[in-house]
Parts: sequence; structure tokens; C-alpha cells
Amino acid sequence: DVKVTQSSRYLVKRTGEKVFLECVQDMDHENMFWYRQDPGLGLRLIYFSYDVKMKEKGDIPEGYSVSREKKERFSLILESASTNQTSMYLCASSLVRDYNEQFFGPGTRLTVL
Amino acid sequence: DAKTTQPPSMDCAEGRAANLPCNHSTISGNEYVYWYRQIHSQGPQYIIHGLKNNETNEMASLIITEDRKSSTLILPHATLRDTAVYYCIVLTSDKLIFGTGTRLQVFP
Repeated sequence: DVKVTQSSRYLVKRTGEKVFLECVQDMDHENMFWYRQDPGLGLRLIYFSYDVKMKEKGDIPEGYSVSREKKERFSLILESASTNQTSMYLCASSLVRDYNEQFFGPGTRLTVL
Repeated sequence: DAKTTQPPSMDCAEGRAANLPCNHSTISGNEYVYWYRQIHSQGPQYIIHGLKNNETNEMASLIITEDRKSSTLILPHATLRDTAVYYCIVLTSDKLIFGTGTRLQVFP
């Protein structure tokens, strides 16, 4: 079974802190994705990557950056956390570009105080 | 972009079939319909997808109308563990765009 793991289930940070959310997948998937999920808004795509060192903006990239130095790892970075970035963050991976069976991690609930 | 419309909530008795409808009247000819579900406190889980023909796998069946403007996800024998939010998604530009889905409550 594909396993997507995220570094923390719960995280509390202060406004202005730099925050790293880590995601690792163990099935050699090419594609990786970061979403955030908020009540009433569903899941929204922040960034995605089709290959190592490659990234593309999703629908809401403002305030975020990403890093993909290794195929199995995709990091989401909040350069200066703000309270409106309090959310559930979900990472996903999929095998090839046009095959959208995405496998999701358990999520990280981030609270920014 | 093709959008989907789903009822916000549905109930189903355990052991009965759950039929979850989805409207996607603006879908284009080459756009796939995907279904995911999200059980409380977990990440979404892929269920099934299709283009024109009906599809079935170990989890569910997907019925797409001939004009492709709507589809129905069928869970043939719902269990309590099927209680979740079900998302109908039309794949657009290689991106899955999740709406707010249907909250399915399976009761004993």
C-alpha cells in the first residue's frame, strides 16, 4: 500500500514564525501536492510538483513556498506564518502526471496564534 | 471550468445501497469524473473514476448518464464505516478541484 506521511498531526506556531511542513511518500510517485482544507471551502490546491526540483503554483500559493529536493519528499514552507494560515494541511502523491488517483496523508492541523 | 453540484447531506440505512448523485452539466467531452471520500480526521481517499462508461471496482460503482451531465456513485451495501464526505470532481487541467461534497451518514 502507498503510504504518505506528514511530519506532524498537530502544530501550534506564533505569528511571524517560519513553518516547515514535511511530506514523504514511499511508492516512488512522481507527483506530489499540497492542499489546505477549511470549513465550507473544501480542499484548495496550494502547490504541486511533477518532478524533483520542479514546482507549480496551485490556486492559492500566496504566502507559501515549496521545496522538492528528493523525489519522495515535498515540503511546504510558510515564510512568516499568519493567523489566516490556520488550517488543515493535506499532502498527496500520485503515480504519473495524467493519472489522478491521489493518495493523501493524514493531514497536519496547524494553528497560528 | 466544469463544476459539480452535490446535495450537502444524505442518510442511508446500514446494508442498503447508497446512491450519491452529482450534476456536472458543463463537463467537456474529454473530462473525467472522479469520486473521493473523506472519513472524519483522515485525508481523502480515492474511490473510482470514469469518462463515459459505467465503472465498478471493489468499493463502488459509477454510473454516468449518456449525455455525461450527471453521475451517481453507488455503494451497494453501505456500512457504518462508509460514513464520510463524498466528493464528486471533474478533472480539469490535470487538477482535482474539490467542492464541499455530500456528507453521507449511514445509520444502524
